[in-house]
Amino acid sequence: NAGVTQTPKFQVLKTGQSMTLQCAQDMNHNSMYWYRQDPGMGLRLIYYSASEGTTDKGEVPNGYNVSRLNKREFSLRLESAAPSQTSVYFCASNQGESYTFGSGTRLTVV
Amino acid sequence: GDSVTQMEGPVTLSEEAFLTINCTYTATGYPSLFWYVQYPGEGLQLLLKATKADDKGSNKGFEATYRKETTSFHLEKGSVQVSDSAVYFCALRDAGGTSYGKLTFGQGTILTVHP
Repeated sequence: NAGVTQTPKFQVLKTGQSMTLQCAQDMNHNSMYWYRQDPGMGLRLIYYSASEGTTDKGEVPNGYNVSRLNKREFSLRLESAAPSQTSVYFCASNQGESYTFGSGTRLTVV
Repeated sequence: GDSVTQMEGPVTLSEEAFLTINCTYTATGYPSLFWYVQYPGEGLQLLLKATKADDKGSNKGFEATYRKETTSFHLEKGSVQVSDSAVYFCALRDAGGTSYGKLTFGQGTILTVHP
């Protein structure tokens, strides 16, 4: 099925550990996004990539890095996880007005 | 910058009640407006959208009208069902003429419908 695939679905990290969240889309979309969802705060943009080879900071980029590996893949890396990064992370892609979201990664940092 | 404000929740209704979830926005350009729905444990799904002033988006009995004069995009449904229980997000996209566009979301409104 066409869409956005995120891995893993769940992850528990200890403070200071690193990890990479993977995202891939098969709709040939140019633009991809990483959001975090926290209770009462909606979804906030971490980083985005308007096209292959470009990335830009969103609203809450501190503590994160991204890589647009190719047109399909856009990964999010936490170099040194902190409890404040406990959240649900969503990847999305779009072409024009059509956005598709992944099913999310629930990350807990203890 | 762009911002979206939704009515505070949670909202609890009985089946067949009328639903309104308020949404207002601030944007520098002429944004497109969206309502997304998130069912428990799932990602976001587009519910409806409107791309210019006075457009009405509709889907599954839900409606919202793009009101430029009041900068609002309130979500309504005449008769809710238990299956409508979910989190609803209002969002805007200010593409500014580009082919991509970041979505800016409201804080989300939790809707619970009881039988």
